[in-house]
Amino acid sequence: EVQLVQSGAEVKKPGESLKISCKASGYSFSGYWIGWVRQMPGKGLEWMGIVYPGDSDTRYSPSFQGQVSISADESIRTAYLQWSSLKASDSGTYYCARHRGGYDDNFDYWGQGTLVTVSS
Amino acid sequence: QSVLTQPPSVSGAPGQSVTISCTGSSFGAGYGVHWYQHLSGTAPKLLIYRNYNRPSGVPDRFSGSKSGTSASLAISGLQTEDEGDYYCQSYDSSLSGWVFGGGTKLTVL
Repeated sequence: EVQLVQSGAEVKKPGESLKISCKASGYSFSGYWIGWVRQMPGKGLEWMGIVYPGDSDTRYSPSFQGQVSISADESIRTAYLQWSSLKASDSGTYYCARHRGGYDDNFDYWGQGTLVTVSS
Repeated sequence: QSVLTQPPSVSGAPGQSVTISCTGSSFGAGYGVHWYQHLSGTAPKLLIYRNYNRPSGVPDRFSGSKSGTSASLAISGLQTEDEGDYYCQSYDSSLSGWVFGGGTKLTVL
């Protein structure tokens, strides 16, 4: 069974750093990409970026380029989304999802989401 | 503002049918559209992929279509548990990335 299990909710202050994780099981981790999707409170889904664990190739949405860092560790089947200096506007729920990497491909399995709250 | 445009909301009574539209210039380039169901408190779920295909386990009450720069998700035999948000998704070559529509909130009256 394909599963993506994300790390738990986080409460942080502006300026702090944060790294959340997404652990995959039930499929060949290096055969698929892992994408990250943001949902701000009361808003829709936004694609942030995507990483290929096989060679760490990473692509970012222009809206998130330079704002976050996406990585993966193939040895422990885990993908990461990282901030070096959080802002209040980074508050939201973040989902990881599996993707085949092709232009016409979809996000077929999703993690349960990680709620990030940034507040002073 | 999303490059894929969806109506903010649709509604219908139990047993009725509704259609959710999604328009985008990326469809004109031939890219397919996928649909997701996002129920409150749960992870998004793939509902339709590549315009009209249903993943295993998705009821045939859900169907998709695409023509030109428009796509649609049709839900027949509405059930109260269908209430939630629905998103279309495709690839946008001008952005060099994947994009979601703004989402449509389905209310089952």
